[in-house]
Amino acid sequence: QLQLQESGSGLVKPSQTLSLACAVSGGSISSGGYSWSWIRQPPGKGLEWIGYIYHSGTTYYNPHLKSRVTMSVDRSKNQFSLDLRSVTAADTAVYYCAREATSAMTYAFDFWGQGTMVTVSS
Amino acid sequence: DIQMTQSPSSLSASVGDRVTITCRASQSINRYLNWYQQKPGKAPKVLIYAASSLQSGVPSRFSGSGSGTDFTLTIGSLQPEDFATYYCQQTYSARTFGQGTKVEIK
Repeated sequence: QLQLQESGSGLVKPSQTLSLACAVSGGSISSGGYSWSWIRQPPGKGLEWIGYIYHSGTTYYNPHLKSRVTMSVDRSKNQFSLDLRSVTAADTAVYYCAREATSAMTYAFDFWGQGTMVTVSS
Repeated sequence: DIQMTQSPSSLSASVGDRVTITCRASQSINRYLNWYQQKPGKAPKVLIYAASSLQSGVPSRFSGSGSGTDFTLTIGSLQPEDFATYYCQQTYSARTFGQGTKVEIK
């Protein structure tokens, strides 16, 4: 069974960079037919997609966050990562990593990490 | 940007009730529409993909319909474990979620 596990700093100071990693187990991040996403959820609010990356390194970011986001993949460690620069209190959220199954007419987040809470505060 | 609008934002229902949640896209998204269920403190779980396909392992009381801009999630007979928040999501262009519909116990 595929499992995803987020890790990283739970507290980040304003204007600094939020960095998270998502370790994938029970399957290979290099498997075809999947992309790997970051999604966040501010406390008590809805879901916001941040972006995805393929094992090849190809990325696609949410246009609203694109100027501050970098995603990368480390196939040797079977994990992918998120950097979000110049954070503010508005970036406080639970951050999820997820796998998106991709095929004709079908794109859906079928496996998710448990989520990690990141607070932006001085 | 494609905006997704769900209605209602919340609803109260009883066990056994038939529940319908709607989702409207700001432009046509064909059938690139998924539905997720989220319980407090947990990650979302996909229920329906491509507008009407039931994800493996999801009970058949869940069904989805629609295409273009208007979509519906129906729970045929509400069960105690179905009290949760439901989100629609488009995958036609980037990825956008609706604001969520909270299903509460009446």
